[in-house]
Amino acid sequence: QSALTQPASVSGSPGQSITISCTGTSSDVGSYNLVSWYQQHPGKAPKLMIYEGSKRPSGVSNRFSGSKSGNTASLTISGLQAEDEADYYCCSYAGSSTFVFGGGTKLTVL
Amino acid sequence: QVTLKESGPVLVKPTETLTLTCTVSGFSLSNARMGVSWIRQPPGKALEWLAHIFSNDEKSYSTSLKSRLTISKDTSKSQVVLTMTNMDPVDTATYYCARTLWFGPPYFDYWGQGTLVTVSS
Repeated sequence: QSALTQPASVSGSPGQSITISCTGTSSDVGSYNLVSWYQQHPGKAPKLMIYEGSKRPSGVSNRFSGSKSGNTASLTISGLQAEDEADYYCCSYAGSSTFVFGGGTKLTVL
Repeated sequence: QVTLKESGPVLVKPTETLTLTCTVSGFSLSNARMGVSWIRQPPGKALEWLAHIFSNDEKSYSTSLKSRLTISKDTSKSQVVLTMTNMDPVDTATYYCARTLWFGPPYFDYWGQGTLVTVSS
């Protein structure tokens, strides 16, 4: 269960779009369309933003979208807003009722 | 309203055993499509999944920590307990419990506020 690979940081200006990648292996991301994404503001608990690769829970802005290609999942945030500045984590089901998280990406809104 | 709340010691000594309790409300631990996971986060570092328990008491553990972890539940008390043996300073982290939904592909839809555990002599 090695951690999924995410860029340490990404940045963008308000109104722009950014994409955060999450690379795993054929044993996790590549085998299942089961990646979820979580947003975490400093000192707060993570919040579910995307599940099943591309679905949004009720209440999450449609500016957040998810996709997957091969062993890499991606989170795209369009129309960046100041409140989007946070850490983002991907998580993949890894079989046998286990999970693996990514290393996290710090999003800075310039 | 679904809530989860972690409780336990804020400070443990090296080699001691940590016991954390997650008290849930707004759903039942007997629901077949729901479970509870424990996830931790060292200060300034990434999230790490630790363990999960299903309604039928089936359990799963992180491969790297399996020998040190035990997860259990008391459905009547709506509580999930995690024990971690032989604590070390590197285990200093905020420990979260989260509801795991299994309606389809699993994910964590509700999280507790987390509890910071420091390991130090």
